[in-house]
Amino acid sequence: QQQVKQSPQSLIVQKGGISIINCAYENTAFDYFPWYQQFPGKGPALLIAIRPDVSEKKEGRFTISFNKSAKQFSLHIMDSQPGDSATYFCAASYSNYQLIWGAGTKLIIKP
Amino acid sequence: EAGVAQSPRYKIIEKRQSVAFWCNPISGHATLYWYQQILGQGPKLLIQFQNNGVVDDSQLPKDRFSAERLKGVDSTLKIQPAKLEDSAVYLCASSLAQGDYEQYFGPGTRLTVT
Repeated sequence: QQQVKQSPQSLIVQKGGISIINCAYENTAFDYFPWYQQFPGKGPALLIAIRPDVSEKKEGRFTISFNKSAKQFSLHIMDSQPGDSATYFCAASYSNYQLIWGAGTKLIIKP
Repeated sequence: EAGVAQSPRYKIIEKRQSVAFWCNPISGHATLYWYQQILGQGPKLLIQFQNNGVVDDSQLPKDRFSAERLKGVDSTLKIQPAKLEDSAVYLCASSLAQGDYEQYFGPGTRLTVT
């Protein structure tokens, strides 16, 4: 019940295309859903986050879509660029503030 | 604003040896986290400090791992003795306060145990 399941494990997208990464959770107590971006040799960095009272949040080319009834959320990267090539992690948290992490998606944007 | 600092960046040791990692969080951040990230996996929380007190160390293998944050600022994580399965990146993160969801991560220390 503590798991966050992330898919796909890896993703190759052409430059200018849309990258979509999905996550699913079981624990309905989760109330914070962030996405982190990690480049090789660096620590994860917060990209965008959402709370379950909204169904979508957009920041620039990055959008989180949240489906509370299905217990799923996804990251959409519009107009994907080679600089977006990185590993993306979804996570979830509840009142004790510990992040439960997905396994990660390695995204490659082909020029 | 300076980020989370960690040292060393890389360490190679033999099994059964000991190793220590150091972390200096962002100035003013009360909450400090140590994570273990095995290749191809998401980070796993080892221990969480609020100032110099431990909030959660339930996933810390206490027979070989120890951590301290004596003055509520920087922190050290020690492994003694190391095992092959401890090979991983050890990430330190900090947040302004407990209850502040956003965590800021350092670059990590890549540990290889041979």
